[in-house]
Amino acid sequence: GESVGLHLPTLSVQEGDNSIINCAYSNSASDYFIWYKQESGKGPQFIIDIRSNMDKRQGQRVTVLLNKTVKHLSLQIAATQPGDSAVYFCAENYETSGSRLTFGEGTQLTVNP
Amino acid sequence: DGGITQSPKYLFRKEGQNVTLSCEQNLNHDAMYWYRQDPGQGLRLIYYSQIVNDFQKGDIAEGYSVSREKKESFPLTVTSAQKNPTAFYLCASSIMAVRGTEAFFGQGTRLTVV
Repeated sequence: GESVGLHLPTLSVQEGDNSIINCAYSNSASDYFIWYKQESGKGPQFIIDIRSNMDKRQGQRVTVLLNKTVKHLSLQIAATQPGDSAVYFCAENYETSGSRLTFGEGTQLTVNP
Repeated sequence: DGGITQSPKYLFRKEGQNVTLSCEQNLNHDAMYWYRQDPGQGLRLIYYSQIVNDFQKGDIAEGYSVSREKKESFPLTVTSAQKNPTAFYLCASSIMAVRGTEAFFGQGTRLTVV
């Protein structure tokens, strides 16, 4: 049959490698950013966040980098594991949006054993 | 356990029928949100509420309605006016209705029109 809908960007890595997932955000007035992980058929889970007064923030095995000059956000996952396979979304919060988050299109990460 | 509960997990609707999706949270969060997700796509905001008895349209509100009579509950009705309702629906909440706070998500309801 014919597929319907967009195809997500995909990233395929070997177990144990480091992964880098990129996101271009839309609004130069955005000052809060979140990365979410979504496993198939489930709701998104918070991974890490960063505010615009920072350019780097580290968590457990994850690092988020923010480049406000080019409106770019990246998520680095160290020593990627099969359990990291999921869709990853970035979300932004900007000045006129109140508490609303605006989500990017997502990236499908596949970890090969 | 604190969290967001969406029910049912799967829902089937005949064309022309209204259907209501339930979302309940026991996190004492002020703000609640409904998102729609289509296959291979991101999340799009349908409606959100920052306080009881008040709510605002999101980016794709046509064909949907909501109510916020209690702080812990934010049901979404998919009406017959929604022409393409088959999708994955996600409810979320955040602790404060202010900027710079993360949203917590439920496990979603998959709605299929038959």
